[in-house]
Order: sequence, then C-alpha cells, then structure tokens
Amino acid sequence: DAGITQSPRYKITETGRQVTLMCHQTWSHSYMFWYRQDLGHGLRLIYYSAAADITDKGEVPDGYVVSRSKTENFPLTLESATRSQTSVYFCASSVKVSTDTQYFGPGTRLTVL
Amino acid sequence: QQQVKQSPQSLIVQKGGISIINCAYENTAFDYFPWYQQFPGKGPALLIAIRPDVSEKKEGRFTISFNKSAKQFSLHIMDSQPGDSATYFCAASRTTSGGSYIPTFGRGTSLIVHP
Repeated sequence: DAGITQSPRYKITETGRQVTLMCHQTWSHSYMFWYRQDLGHGLRLIYYSAAADITDKGEVPDGYVVSRSKTENFPLTLESATRSQTSVYFCASSVKVSTDTQYFGPGTRLTVL
Repeated sequence: QQQVKQSPQSLIVQKGGISIINCAYENTAFDYFPWYQQFPGKGPALLIAIRPDVSEKKEGRFTISFNKSAKQFSLHIMDSQPGDSATYFCAASRTTSGGSYIPTFGRGTSLIVHP
C-alpha cells in the first residue's frame, strides 16, 4: 500500500523557472492539501481541494497554482519560482469528514537559487 | 494573525522526565485539536487528538489536557525517551459551511530528549 507519495523528493531550480511538485494518494481520500514548512513558521496551508475539480486557497497561496483533475493527484505548480519559495513542501490527504486524520507525504525539499 | 500559538519553540528534557508543550487558540469555533509528531526527514503523523467535550485524553505516555474556558490545550509526554525526540505540532480545526476540514497549525516545538 503506497499511501501518499510526493515527487521529486529534492529539487533545485532557478529564479523565474516554473516548477511542478507532484502528489499522489492511493486511498481515494476526498480532501488533499499542500503545506509549506519553514523554520519558525511551522506548517502553512497553501491550497486545498475537497474533491476533483474543487480547489480553494489557504493561508499563503500567492505564487502557486493547483489543479485536481483526478481524485488521486494534486500537483502544485510554482509559475515563476522565487527565492522566498525555498521550503519543504508537504502534501496531505484526509477522508471527507470534519475532524479526520491528515496523512502526510514524505515532503519535497525545494531550493530556488 | 496566528490563530494557534504554540510554546515553547524548543524543549530539552532528560530521559525519564516530563515534556510539556502548550497551545492556545482564539477561535471558539474550533472543535478538534490534534497533535502531530514529525521526525527529521519525514512528514508529520497524527499522535493524539481531543475534542472539547472532554478535558483529558491519554494514550500510553502521551496525554492531552484541554481547558475550554482558557482556550488552551497541552501535550504531556511522561517518561520521555530519546525516541520521542521530534518536532511536535498542535493544530485546531473547525467545520466550514461546506463541511470541510481546514486545520490551523501551531509553529511547532522541537523536542530533544537526552539519554
């Protein structure tokens, strides 16, 4: 059972380039989330999705784009990467209930030079 | 606006000691309070969670204490072990009008347990 996977695990890119981080879950969870983790800031929600083709902004959505054409995939795109987007990105999923466990992926460490 | 405030930012305890991490929230609509544990290089994982209708929940060496009137909750790790060394996040969530689960996380506490 693969659970929730992220790719790539590590990525180095340059300022201005477009980058897409992939997230895939095998549980058919309705909800998926993207967070960034930075020292001193904890986990900050970027975007979330309640179902395929339904997405909404979180706390820090600027500079990011998401899509969800299939339930199992939730890619996060940085349209024009900036150094401030250097971070560790976590994808998570949960079943469609109001108080349910979030299952996190292993993370993608992104460095923008 | 930080809706969930977590303290301390870092904590060092000796093996066998008690680790205490505190969180305070502002939004009285929050109705679910989980704690997540994150080991280096891994994603967070649910450790224990509580709802506001109980004041305490215990699972093994881990206990959540909840004070609804003070809008505070805390994680106690009894008999702390070096294997407990990790980052701990508290969180709070509410049900939106659409019924989705939108969590707010604290900034995390880095716990180091010395042998």
